[in-house]
Amino acid sequence: DVKVTQSSRYLVKRTGEKVFLECVQDMDHENMFWYRQDPGLGLRLIYFSYDVKMKEKGDIPEGYSVSREKKERFSLILESASTNQTSMYLCATHPWTQTYEQYFGPGTRLTVT
Amino acid sequence: EDKVVQSPLSLVVHEGDTVTLNCSYEVTNFRSLLWYKQEKKAPTFLFMLTSSGIEKKSGRLSSILDKKELFSILNITATQTGDSAIYLCAVPGAGSYQLTFGKGTKLSVIP
Repeated sequence: DVKVTQSSRYLVKRTGEKVFLECVQDMDHENMFWYRQDPGLGLRLIYFSYDVKMKEKGDIPEGYSVSREKKERFSLILESASTNQTSMYLCATHPWTQTYEQYFGPGTRLTVT
Repeated sequence: EDKVVQSPLSLVVHEGDTVTLNCSYEVTNFRSLLWYKQEKKAPTFLFMLTSSGIEKKSGRLSSILDKKELFSILNITATQTGDSAIYLCAVPGAGSYQLTFGKGTKLSVIP
């Protein structure tokens, strides 16, 4: 079974703090994604990565950056957290195959106060 | 820009009812459509549909795609409280593995 883990299930941070969300997968998948999920807005793609040290902006990259130094780990960074970044953050992975199924981690619910 | 629209956004039914969830899409180069179920944690994969008119079935859940009319439906028969979840529909973008998701349908099944 594919296992995607995220560093925290719940996180509370203060406005202006630098926040790191970690995602680790154990299936050697090439592609990794970061989404945020908000009521009424669904899942929106923040950043994705096709390979180590590669990154591409998704639909809502503003206020975020990412890092992929190793294949199994994809980090989302909030340089200076703001209250409008309070959300559920989901990491997903996908192998280079003809199917499009993505495998999701359990999510991190981030609250910025 | 790819677009996925799900309806209804929320639905409350009684146990034993049959429900139909809708997903319409606009995508430049259609390759497939995926359905996910999300309870209180990670979305879990249900179905991937690529061909029109072929029903995918798993227990009480089934789904079908209409590529001419650009929509898919997810049916759940004899609903149970464990079916309460958000159901997500998604399509991959042209030439990539990115998924565009609909806003989801929140299904609540009450005893």
